[in-house]
Amino acid sequence: DSGVTQTPKHLITATGQRVTLRCSPRSGDLSVYWYQQSLDQGLQFLIQYYNGEERAKGNILERFSAQQFPDLHSELNLSSLELGDSALYFCASSVDTGVLVEQFFGPGTRLTVL
Amino acid sequence: AQSVTQLGSHVSVSEGALVLLRCNYSSSVPPYLFWYVQYPNQGLQLLLKYTTGATLVKGINGFEAEFKKSETSFHLTKPSAHMSDAAEYFCAVSGNTGNQFYFGTGTSLTVIP
Repeated sequence: DSGVTQTPKHLITATGQRVTLRCSPRSGDLSVYWYQQSLDQGLQFLIQYYNGEERAKGNILERFSAQQFPDLHSELNLSSLELGDSALYFCASSVDTGVLVEQFFGPGTRLTVL
Repeated sequence: AQSVTQLGSHVSVSEGALVLLRCNYSSSVPPYLFWYVQYPNQGLQLLLKYTTGATLVKGINGFEAEFKKSETSFHLTKPSAHMSDAAEYFCAVSGNTGNQFYFGTGTSLTVIP
């Protein structure tokens, strides 16, 4: 158990809909990262927040957005969903920012778009 | 820009045999290199990382990896496979000025009893 929690575990929805994925980082961690894992694209970095502010952006679509709240939990919002958005979405957290700091991954949210 | 290539999406070894998972990287800056393991229905867990210093890095569960700059490689090895090693393994690279990790497509390791 990494200490990072993600809800829900599974999410099934239809094309065109909007969903929100939630992540609670490990106690004391200020940085949160979101990743998308799909069969065709592998594991891709989406976005990072540090203490409430966006710190780095990866291959995140404009239909996707994220935020980190004062209590440090984070939400990833996916809108106008397409079939290709079906994937496993991971959240990770670290105590600080920077590549020398280990990221701890949550168990993921499996999104299925029908 | 950074990227990694993992050769072999599926590797099968017999229990007790050598495990070798290949990773080659491309980086415009001195790289930081990582191996992560993903067990079924779980998130990723850090196995080991190379930042600077000794090129042979030891990680958890008996795994190690060697950074070879001349070959741009960071292959993961374990002398003797155990059934519990069956998992998906990801190599990742990051430049030393950013927060982003670039993951390979993963190698699924099967251990045959």
